[in-house]
Amino acid sequence: QTVVTQEPSLTVSPGGTVTLTCASSTGAVTTAYYPNWFQQKPGQAPRPLIYSTSNKHSWTPARFSGSLLGGKAALTLSGVQPEDEAEYYCLLYHGGAQPWVFGGGTKLTVL
Amino acid sequence: QIQLVQSGAEVKKPGASVKVSCKASGYTFTYYPMHWVRQAPGQRLEWMGWINAGNGDTKYSQKFQGRVTITRDTAASTVYMELGSVRSEDTAVYHCARADITTYGIDVWGQGTTVTVSS
Repeated sequence: QTVVTQEPSLTVSPGGTVTLTCASSTGAVTTAYYPNWFQQKPGQAPRPLIYSTSNKHSWTPARFSGSLLGGKAALTLSGVQPEDEAEYYCLLYHGGAQPWVFGGGTKLTVL
Repeated sequence: QIQLVQSGAEVKKPGASVKVSCKASGYTFTYYPMHWVRQAPGQRLEWMGWINAGNGDTKYSQKFQGRVTITRDTAASTVYMELGSVRSEDTAVYHCARADITTYGIDVWGQGTTVTVSS
């Protein structure tokens, strides 16, 4: 069974920079995994942030960026704002019998 | 504007089936695949399956294989997700989400449908 792993929790100070990562049990994540990143606040539907590794949606704030880092997908927040406190999920494409798998989510605290 | 509007909350007894609909508007329905994702209370997002809205091809998570069926009605621009033999662990919010067929980017989510399984 394919497992996608994220940091369970991270804490960052306002104005700081933080990187969240997303790893696959199948091996190094590449662009062929089409990483998507989502932000979710309590009681709300997930909000898309990044698709295809590093592409932003028209509503994605400039402080969010996506990349590949050390065999993982990564989401970097630069100049963190208090409103960025949320749960962040990655989604990876694996094809085959289990095409898409979400990570377990990272709870980001801004303190 | 682009919208996905889902059907209302459901309460089901264990062993029953539940069918949730997702009506799309504001774009060409057949051009975009649709995912179904669920989230149990306090739990992670969980991918269930997706459908190519153009040709109806589907792919399901191994976890739900045999229990979930995703279909679409192109005339109604609506996608359906039916989950059979429900149990208490299937209590969750179920979302549809639109994807781009070339970039695989998910850009629009339905508002979610709460399904409660209780005897």
